[in-house]
Amino acid sequence: EDQVTQSPEALRLQEGESSSLNCSYTVSGLRGLFWYRQDPGKGPEFLFTLYSAGEEKEKERLKATLTKKESFLHITAPKPEDSATYLCAVQTPTGNQFYFGTGTSLTVIP
Amino acid sequence: SAVISQKPSRDICQRGTSLTIQCQVDSQVTMMFWYRQQPGQSLTLIATANQGSEATYESGFVIDKFPISRPNLTFSTLTVSNMSPEDSSIYLCSVTRTSGTTDTQYFGPGTRLTVL
Repeated sequence: EDQVTQSPEALRLQEGESSSLNCSYTVSGLRGLFWYRQDPGKGPEFLFTLYSAGEEKEKERLKATLTKKESFLHITAPKPEDSATYLCAVQTPTGNQFYFGTGTSLTVIP
Repeated sequence: SAVISQKPSRDICQRGTSLTIQCQVDSQVTMMFWYRQQPGQSLTLIATANQGSEATYESGFVIDKFPISRPNLTFSTLTVSNMSPEDSSIYLCSVTRTSGTTDTQYFGPGTRLTVL
């Protein structure tokens, strides 16, 4: 069964304390792996798409990496405004299905 | 990027009634997706809506309960029929854009539905 698992479920960091979020998947075939940020009461906001093992993408304090079975979202020196739920999703080869993980709720404490 | 709007942003409905949610995109797209996000849960795909053809529903979702219309390339509606409290959720529409070899998925702001 196709599955996407994120860990940890929740993470509390001090401002400036770097860490990583994990997204592992068992989806057969992979067209793309997506990372999103979701603030309470809002729709997910697109961050990155990764396509192949070894690929990395960066945006401000965030860096996403991809291996054959998992992806990491590294947060360097986080700030309180980085507090949000971070979701990953896997796009199947046909392109018209996305399987979402349950998300990691990140809280950055000043 | 894509700008997506949804109406209504929220609603409180009585059991047994139906609600139609509208999704408008600022430019033409081939596929539109409808998701449900139940409280404290992640997103679950309900169906994919292509213009000019019937929507494709995921396992556990049926057309009688969630009829979808896609009259043109910038608009879609999702109806939640014969609602029960278990239908209380956030409903999101989404589109994908392809630029070169990169796919980007954009979401609307969501419709927060509470069924009493």
